[in-house]
Amino acid sequence: AQSVSQHNHHVILSEAASLELGCNYSYGGTVNLFWYVQYPGQHLQLLLKYFSGDPLVKGIKGFEAEFIKSKFSFNLRKPSVQWSDTAEYFCAVKPKGGGNKLTFGTGTQLKVEL
Amino acid sequence: ETGVTQTPRHLVMGMTNKKSLKCEQHLGHNAMYWYKQSAKKPLELMFVYSLEERVENNSVPSRFSPECPNSSHLFLHLHTLQPEDSALYLCASSQEVRETQYFGPGTRLLVL
Repeated sequence: AQSVSQHNHHVILSEAASLELGCNYSYGGTVNLFWYVQYPGQHLQLLLKYFSGDPLVKGIKGFEAEFIKSKFSFNLRKPSVQWSDTAEYFCAVKPKGGGNKLTFGTGTQLKVEL
Repeated sequence: ETGVTQTPRHLVMGMTNKKSLKCEQHLGHNAMYWYKQSAKKPLELMFVYSLEERVENNSVPSRFSPECPNSSHLFLHLHTLQPEDSALYLCASSQEVRETQYFGPGTRLLVL
């Protein structure tokens, strides 16, 4: 069975700081990878996803993530965060070619201070 | 974003009550999901429906009973819940079970 680890549970940054949130997964086969974001009081929204092709994926609101297969990682980055990026970020993985289960990490709570 | 809606948004119930959570998707998807989100724990997949048939049940207690009358609607019937069932219950849908899932706002449930 697959699993996802997000090692940073809480991150506090000042506006304009750079962001990198770690995500590592364990699974023996190929996977699809996702980052979801949950803004305060709002529902989970898809930020970006990787299915195949260029391992550097660009998502909404200036976020990007890089799939490094050798490291089983899919870290989320943003060069310059804004106060409005304050939210909880979830990494998720789903095996390719079968299975219904989207497995989530425990989430990283990001707080951006003015 | 109103693609996936859930009602009610908040629910307080006693352990002997029966209630139902409703999810509706307006995206033309044919797969729907129930997740449980508890504090400090990863989202837990509860049930998966594809073309109105249940295709996955992740060892969920029988006090949770899903129902999918058509591809646009999904219910979660609740009966004799326990306080530890208090959580945010999220509904999601996707075009096929292998495709990207889109989430509703959730129902915040408190069991007293």
